[in-house]
Amino acid sequence: DAKTTQPPSMDCAEGRAANLPCNHSTISGNEYVYWYRQIHSQGPQYIIHGLKNNETNEMASLIITEDRKSSTLILPHATLRDTAVYYCIVRGNAGNMLTFGGGTRLMVKP
Amino acid sequence: ETGVTQTPRHLVMGMTNKKSLKCEQHLGHNAMYWYKQSAKKPLELMFVYSLEERVENNSVPSRFSPECPNSSHLFLHLHTLQPEDSALYLCASSRAFVRDMENIQYFGAGTRLSVL
Repeated sequence: DAKTTQPPSMDCAEGRAANLPCNHSTISGNEYVYWYRQIHSQGPQYIIHGLKNNETNEMASLIITEDRKSSTLILPHATLRDTAVYYCIVRGNAGNMLTFGGGTRLMVKP
Repeated sequence: ETGVTQTPRHLVMGMTNKKSLKCEQHLGHNAMYWYKQSAKKPLELMFVYSLEERVENNSVPSRFSPECPNSSHLFLHLHTLQPEDSALYLCASSRAFVRDMENIQYFGAGTRLSVL
């Protein structure tokens, strides 16, 4: 599976958009990009995933660059409850194992 | 509510005790997973079951013994644990365990284990 690189921490003002970047320069053609988040002392929560096209759901938007070497998770109107560690994971034909890295600790401030 | 329920939420045990962690999923999934999350470390995959058969075992010590009696239930039996086994133990499920295909895992809230 391709390795991902994320900034260790970010701050965001409440009500503003939170843009969380992820680099995955070694991604291969059949590898999906997944985003999960983990609120303190809870289990990880699935947010969104994509292969090539940009994706949007009720939680977030996922923007994948044309060369697929990086992506951005967008929380359009961050709230205090969005404070969490956000994990970007690239998974392909190694199976269904999700390899979690360090993630980005997002702090939403009033 | 993710559809994956873990019990107990908290567990304190001595090194000579035997205890079990339970996971139940109400999503109709066929694959279930155990993860370990130690303080300040990434999640580590421990075991994977697909259709009640163990398909992955990531070099986990034998003091951890998984059991999957059916596709809805997963147990982790613990015996003679060490203090360094104290961690958050997370269960997850997915629709299937199929390589080369997209698949979303849904996690329970975890069991916080303290070994004294």
